Amino acid sequence: QVQLVESGGGVVQPGRSLRLSCAVSGFMFSDYGIHWVRQAPGKGLEWVAFIWYDGSNEYYADSVKGRVTISRDNSKNTVYLQMNTLRVEDTAVYYCARALWDRYFFDYWGLGALVTVSS
Amino acid sequence: SYVLTQPPSVSVAPGKTARITCGGNRVGGKSVHWYQQKPGQAPVLVIYDDSDRPSGIPERFSGSNSGNTATLTISRVEAGDEADYYCQVWDNSSGQLYVFGPGTKVTVL
Repeated sequence: QVQLVESGGGVVQPGRSLRLSCAVSGFMFSDYGIHWVRQAPGKGLEWVAFIWYDGSNEYYADSVKGRVTISRDNSKNTVYLQMNTLRVEDTAVYYCARALWDRYFFDYWGLGALVTVSS
Repeated sequence: SYVLTQPPSVSVAPGKTARITCGGNRVGGKSVHWYQQKPGQAPVLVIYDDSDRPSGIPERFSGSNSGNTATLTISRVEAGDEADYYCQVWDNSSGQLYVFGPGTKVTVL
């Protein structure tokens, strides 16, 4: 069955870096774009980043542009989110989600990884 | 950036119909998608492209979209439908390509 599993979350100090991973299984990874969507505690959903099915294009929300890099390794069925210069307001559960290459919605989501930015 | 609006909360008795609106400028010209999120769980897609249901989603869930309002309708509401519901669109007019509404908490009385 379709699975997306996030890892790499934790507590980090402001200004430091963290890398999240999203390991997928149960579907043809190379057919799907992968997104990261986050949810601050008690708040709504916020789209963060997206990488095309073949890794040839990346897109970022203005709130993270320049601090975050999304990448993928199709040989490992894994997508990464490298987050630098973290801020307190980056504290959230980070979900990875898949989208068929020509569709604009997320049909399967992972369970999420909590990132807490605190001194 | 494009903005979607939703009522913060909707209350409905079991067996009745819940309607959750999603407002946006000419949202009828966009494809609207809806997600259900129960406490402590990941979101689940319940409607895509305004009115299509993914496999496994009950027929009780339906959607429509016209003018400045999209609507998610839950018929014959059950206790298990209590959750937060988010609408979402794609908009390439700003850096926030994928826009979510603020969410609506559906409470089953």
